[in-house]
Amino acid sequence: GAVVSQHPSRVICKSGTSVKIECRSLDFQATTMFWYRQFPKQSLMLMATSNEGSKATYEQGVEKDKFLINHASLTLSTLTVTSAHPEDSSFYICSARDRSSGRTSSFYEQYFGPGTRLTVT
Amino acid sequence: SQQGEEDPQALSIQEGENATMNCSYKTSINNLQWYRQNSGRGLVHLILIRSNEREKHSGRLRVTLDTSKKSSSLLITASRAADTASYFCATPGQGAQKLVFGQGTRLTINP
Repeated sequence: GAVVSQHPSRVICKSGTSVKIECRSLDFQATTMFWYRQFPKQSLMLMATSNEGSKATYEQGVEKDKFLINHASLTLSTLTVTSAHPEDSSFYICSARDRSSGRTSSFYEQYFGPGTRLTVT
Repeated sequence: SQQGEEDPQALSIQEGENATMNCSYKTSINNLQWYRQNSGRGLVHLILIRSNEREKHSGRLRVTLDTSKKSSSLLITASRAADTASYFCATPGQGAQKLVFGQGTRLTINP
């Protein structure tokens, strides 16, 4: 099956610093990746859609200057939380779609990374 | 924005019993998916049901879809402790590639 990895799995940083989270598709190419944020006991909220070779598309209410997304290759997207504050502490999850899959059901399916727990102190 | 409303928000049952979770949505869809999330982990795709399907099975999972009521259910039969997780329904969002997740049901299977 398609595998998506995230690094780091956990990170603790001080308020005001920046943190970069990587999302990689390990065995497939992904022209599109998605970044979600999940607060404890809540659902996933889509933050942005990351498109390889072009600018990310942010959801309403998500600050693009604070959450920088770079999708430089077909297997890597990065999310940088700039000038992090305690309220940015959350679980960040990425997902990817397989651009070449011929299986009909997987056209709609997203493969999720294991998530990154960010704690800002 | 959240499209899916799930109930119950939390469900606790004994091992071996069946667990049923429901999801309602607001707009017309062409498919609905169910995902599982173990605590502190990513999501695992369980099953996709298309709008022209009424029921679909996968192992101990049974999913129904009623497009007239804009609702879906996920039934897990003969539950096991390992089924303890949160379960989310997801529907296509604006733009074909997006997914909009429901609030989720936290399922606890007691041994």
